[in-house]
Amino acid sequence: GENVEQHPSTLSVQEGDSAVIKCTYSDSASNYFPWYKQELGKRPQLIIDIRSNVGEKKDQRIAVTLNKTAKHFSLHITETQPEDSAVYFCAASYNAGNMLTFGGGTRLMVKP
Amino acid sequence: EAGVAQSPRYKIIEKRQSVAFWCNPISGHATLYWYQQILGQGPKLLIQFQNNGVVDDSQLPKDRFSAERLKGVDSTLKIQPAKLEDSAVYLCASSLEAGLDSPLHFGNGTRLTVT
Repeated sequence: GENVEQHPSTLSVQEGDSAVIKCTYSDSASNYFPWYKQELGKRPQLIIDIRSNVGEKKDQRIAVTLNKTAKHFSLHITETQPEDSAVYFCAASYNAGNMLTFGGGTRLMVKP
Repeated sequence: EAGVAQSPRYKIIEKRQSVAFWCNPISGHATLYWYQQILGQGPKLLIQFQNNGVVDDSQLPKDRFSAERLKGVDSTLKIQPAKLEDSAVYLCASSLEAGLDSPLHFGNGTRLTVT
């Protein structure tokens, strides 16, 4: 089955700096890679996703890149703000459905 | 649009007791998922339904866990008997269809503590 590794497990940045979170996956058949943000005690919320036919996708301060050859994808947050502080999860799935396999999560702390 | 509703929000039981969680997906969503999220880890899929049929339950510990979605709408997840290692947040999610253009929407989860 699919295995998703996520690094780092914790990340502390100064407000205004950039943050990068990296994930690797094992199943070359995976072709859908979403990122979720989970604030303390709340539900995971989709913030951006990318499909395997695209190498990069941007949405305001958030971008995701995908390298299918190396089987890794990354989340980039620019101009970080304190409200970006949360746990971020990457995930992967294949065409059989949305049976997502999640990474272990990254706790991002943005210091004001 | 109303979100995915789950109840109860919290539950504390002793080991070997039984517990049930309820989920009401977003209206019109055919696909429903139950995930287990242990503290400090990512969610792990337990079971996926398409309407009232099971698509995948390969990671559901069937000796103690069961789930049903009888009318293709609401779903219940049951644990009987509970073990200490079942302490986790149980997240329900739904999507319009099981496909790439149907992102998952999660509920707020039920936090289970087994003592």
